[in-house]
Parts: sequence; C-alpha cells; structure tokens
Amino acid sequence: EAQVTQNPRYLITVTGKKLTVTCSQNMNHEYMSWYRQDPGLGLRQIYYSMNVEVTDKGDVPEGYKVSRKEKRNFPLILESPSPNQTSLYFCASSLKALRQETQYFGPGTRLLVL
Amino acid sequence: GNSVTQMEGPVTLSEEAFLTINCTYTATGYPSLFWYVQYPGEGLQLLLKATKADDKGSNKGFEATYRKETTSFHLEKGSVQVSDSAVYFCALSDALTSGSRLTFGEGTQLTVNP
Repeated sequence: EAQVTQNPRYLITVTGKKLTVTCSQNMNHEYMSWYRQDPGLGLRQIYYSMNVEVTDKGDVPEGYKVSRKEKRNFPLILESPSPNQTSLYFCASSLKALRQETQYFGPGTRLLVL
Repeated sequence: GNSVTQMEGPVTLSEEAFLTINCTYTATGYPSLFWYVQYPGEGLQLLLKATKADDKGSNKGFEATYRKETTSFHLEKGSVQVSDSAVYFCALSDALTSGSRLTFGEGTQLTVNP
C-alpha cells in the first residue's frame, strides 16, 4: 500500500531532551516536507527537501533540523525542544516539486513538550 | 506573500443540507488550488484540486471552481452526509515559492447531524 508513515504517533517529552520524529514514504517521491498544525493557524511548513541531500527552510524552521540521506526517509530533529514546539506534526511527500502535484500526508505525530 | 482565507467555523448542518465553505486567496504567481480534508485522528488527504483558472475540481459529490477574477475557490456539496464531518482545508501551491509548498487556510470544522 502506498503510504507515508510517521513514528512515533504520540510523544511526551521534557524541555531540552533531543528527539527525532521519523518519516518514510514508499512511493519513490522526490519531494518531502514537514508541517506543523496549530489551532487557528492551519498548517505551516517547517522544512522541505527537493531530493536526496537537498533541504531548505520553510516558513517556521527555528528549533528544527532535518536530513535527507535516503530518498524514502526524512526525519525531523528537535535538538532542544521547548514548550512552544508542542504541536501536531505532519510529514508529506509528492512525486515532484511542482505546484500541481498532490501531496500525500502521514497520519501525524502529536508532541507535548513539558 | 501568499495567503489563504477560509470562512470561519465551525459549521453545523443537518444531513442532506447544502454546503458552502468559502475560500479566497492571495498569490504572486499562478497557483494551483486544493481542498484537503482531515477526518478525526487522521492525516490530511486530497479532496479535489484545480490547476488553472476556470477549472472545476470534483470528488465524492464535492465541487470547487477556480475563479481568478474573484481569487476564490469555494467548496460546495449539494447534500451532505454524516460521514462528511471533518476539517476542510483550502490550500494553494505557487511555482514561485519552494516547489510544491502548500499555503493553508485555517481550516473549517464541519459537523453533520443525522
């Protein structure tokens, strides 16, 4: 089944404790990105990747890191999480980085930073 | 910059009622327009899209027409069902920004009562 998977689905952590949220897609997509969803703000892009080893900042990159060493994986790293990073996170992918492409979303990771 | 404005929610309707969710946008280029739907506890999935002016996207009884003159992409359905209860997001993707980055509206919560 074609899909985007994320792990973990739920995570409670404390301020300053490094964490990684994994994202994997099995559709051979070139474009991958991370969004955060907050009430009243919709979804905002954190980072994106046009292809392997090519990443760039989105609208809200502060406090996050990413890497794209393999085409299928795009982990999101929080080196020192803070309470304002409590949010619902979605990974997404599309075949190409073109404006008309449909993006496929993972099921989401709900993060609480205490 | 790009922006998307959706009608404020939540919206509550009775089964078989007519649905309209308004969406207007601001974009510097020639965007593609999307409606994504988020069912409870799930990630976003594409509902419909339109890639150029006057295109009509349709799926599962939902329709939206890309109106360049009014910069709008309103979502409509003639007869809603309980199973349509979800959060609906209007979004755009502009080739002038990073590949297929999506700019989202705030989302509209729809509840359909039997």
